[in-house]
Amino acid sequence: EAGVAQSPRYKIIEKRQSVAFWCNPISGHATLYWYQQILGQGPKLLIQFQNNGVVDDSQLPKDRFSAERLKGVDSTLKIQPAKLEDSAVYLCASSLWVSGGRYNEQFFGPGTRLTVL
Amino acid sequence: AQSVSQHNHHVILSEAASLELGCNYSYGGTVNLFWYVQYPGQHLQLLLKYFSGDPLVKGIKGFEAEFIKSKFSFNLRKPSVQWSDTAEYFCAVNSGYALNFGKGTSLLVTP
Repeated sequence: EAGVAQSPRYKIIEKRQSVAFWCNPISGHATLYWYQQILGQGPKLLIQFQNNGVVDDSQLPKDRFSAERLKGVDSTLKIQPAKLEDSAVYLCASSLWVSGGRYNEQFFGPGTRLTVL
Repeated sequence: AQSVSQHNHHVILSEAASLELGCNYSYGGTVNLFWYVQYPGQHLQLLLKYFSGDPLVKGIKGFEAEFIKSKFSFNLRKPSVQWSDTAEYFCAVNSGYALNFGKGTSLLVTP
C-alpha cells in the first residue's frame, strides 16, 4: 500500500517569499492533516480536513498560511509571506473517516523541511 | 491548558539496558493515548496505542506502555533495548479530533 506522499522534501527560501507544499494521502483516507514540527518540538496540528471540508484550523496562522483540498484528495499548504520562524518540517498525515469521537490511526508522510533565510 | 509532557529530552543507554520514557498529560475526560517513533530518516510511525481496556498495552518491537489514570501517565517501556531502537519517541494524546504531541525524547543506544 502506498503511503502518504509529500513534495518537495526540502525547500529553502528567503523571508517574505512564498512557498507551497503538496500532499497526496493514502487512497481512501477521507481525513487529512497538516502539522508543523519546529526543531526540538513535537508536531503541532495546523489544519484538519474531512474530505474537502475544514474540521479544525484553530492553530493555523491565517494571516499568512492557507490550505486547500479542493477535490477531497490532494492538498496544498501555502505560506505567504514566509517568516524566519516558519522554518520547520511540515508533515502531512491521513486517516480513515473520523466521526463521533472515534479515532483512526494517522499515517504520516516524510515531511517537507522548510528553511527560511 | 491541555498539554503533554515528556520528562526526558535526551536519553543515552547501552544495548541491553532497560528503557522507561515518561509521559504525562493534562486533559479532562476520555482520552486516547499513543506513542509514535521516528527512526533516523524515516516517517513518524505508530508504536502503540491505548483506547480502553487493559491499561498495559503492547506494541511493536517489544515495546509496551502502561496507562495509569490516577497519575495521568502513559510511560513507555522496553526491557532490553537494541542499537536499532535509536530514534525520536513522541507521546501523543487524542481528545476529540486533535492529536497533541509532546516535545519528544531522543534515544541513543550505544553498542
